[in-house]
Amino acid sequence: GEDVEQSLFLSVREGDSSVINCTYTDSSSTYLYWYKQEPGAGLQLLTYIFSNMDMKQDQRLTVLLNKKDKHLSLRIADTQTGDSAIYFCAEMRHDMRFGAGTRLTVKP
Amino acid sequence: KAGVTQTPRYLIKTRGQQVTLSCSPISGHRSVSWYQQTPGQGLQFLFEYFSETQRNKGNFPGRFSGRQFSNSRSEMNVSTLELGDSALYLCASSLAFGEETQYFGPGTRLLVL
Repeated sequence: GEDVEQSLFLSVREGDSSVINCTYTDSSSTYLYWYKQEPGAGLQLLTYIFSNMDMKQDQRLTVLLNKKDKHLSLRIADTQTGDSAIYFCAEMRHDMRFGAGTRLTVKP
Repeated sequence: KAGVTQTPRYLIKTRGQQVTLSCSPISGHRSVSWYQQTPGQGLQFLFEYFSETQRNKGNFPGRFSGRQFSNSRSEMNVSTLELGDSALYLCASSLAFGEETQYFGPGTRLLVL
């Protein structure tokens, strides 16, 4: 089974906030990441958070980390149709471990 | 600054053949990692190279190998191709081994018939 778990699908309306959730299993992970993948493309690093932080904000993106519950979330404010993509959560241990990805669909 | 480039972008091979994929990291980056992405298994780590040495290896058979050159460019090779090797192969570069940020290339899509 996967070490990093995410829900597979999320659908929101344009202008709403999107929240993508992720759980990981290794408390020794040093960094946790969010990547975006659009059709036919590679992975785009959106943001990352060091394990000793609780929150990180970068423009429309807010990352929350709950180390006790090993829960990571990505909030996208004012979601746009261009945000439609697959979002991967990943943890860095000895190597990078990815979740299965959450497909975000933004409806106009 | 140019991003990570991978060649070729698409490749079709038949079972039993071998294939070599190439990755050029971002200028100044010395670490290159390779990943395999399939619908069934998702993204899986293959190996990481730094200073021409393999520093880390994922759980893949010996048919998967790689190398890194003195200019940090990397190649991965898959021998005796199987149908299940059909995947998107992604390369990522970072400044150094263990660096927290990796930047991914567009990938090479391999189809094995």
